[in-house]
Amino acid sequence: SQTIHQWPATLVQPVGSPLSLECTVEGTSNPNLYWYRQAAGRGLQLLFYSVGIGQISSEVPQNLSASRPQDRQFILSSKKLLLSDSGFYLCAWSVQGIPEAFFGQGTRLTVV
Amino acid sequence: SQKIEQNSEALNIQEGKTATLTCNYTNYSPAYLQWYRQDPGRGPVFLLLIRENEKEKRKERLKVTFDTTLKQSLFHITASQPADSATYLCAPTGTYKYIFGTGTRLKVLA
Repeated sequence: SQTIHQWPATLVQPVGSPLSLECTVEGTSNPNLYWYRQAAGRGLQLLFYSVGIGQISSEVPQNLSASRPQDRQFILSSKKLLLSDSGFYLCAWSVQGIPEAFFGQGTRLTVV
Repeated sequence: SQKIEQNSEALNIQEGKTATLTCNYTNYSPAYLQWYRQDPGRGPVFLLLIRENEKEKRKERLKVTFDTTLKQSLFHITASQPADSATYLCAPTGTYKYIFGTGTRLKVLA
């Protein structure tokens, strides 16, 4: 069966420090991959999505970037975190032709 | 640009009653309309979807309607229970770009 792994679960980082969040999917090939951010009490904001290795679409201009070095690996990065980067980051995947999306457990990022 | 609207205020209902949540969208022609449930501190979980050529879909105590003319979907939970308390998100979906509404927080009172 398919599973999605996202880590770490919580993270506290100082302003100006780098960030790397990793997400991997098991049990499927060529998934569509997504990064979302959810600020406290707010909705899901689509940050990046990818339909294949090396294919990244950015939805919101900001100091974050995403990469997909392998078929089932999606990485969210930042060179210098801002206070406004705090939030709940969620990775998700879907399969071509099947609309349902599956989410990871999320990473709670607090920038201090 | 694409816009998705859900009841921003929390919905409180008594146990046993039917909860009805609304999802309206503009500037978009989705092939599907998906509904998800999100509990605090967790990722959303898929509940059900309805296709553009379907008017109504049911799954156990859940019912979804889809009106492509009104650009609206209604999500019903019948015989609601306190365990149904959560935030419910809608996602009008075209291809692979998934945009979610802000969600409606439902609280079922015992």
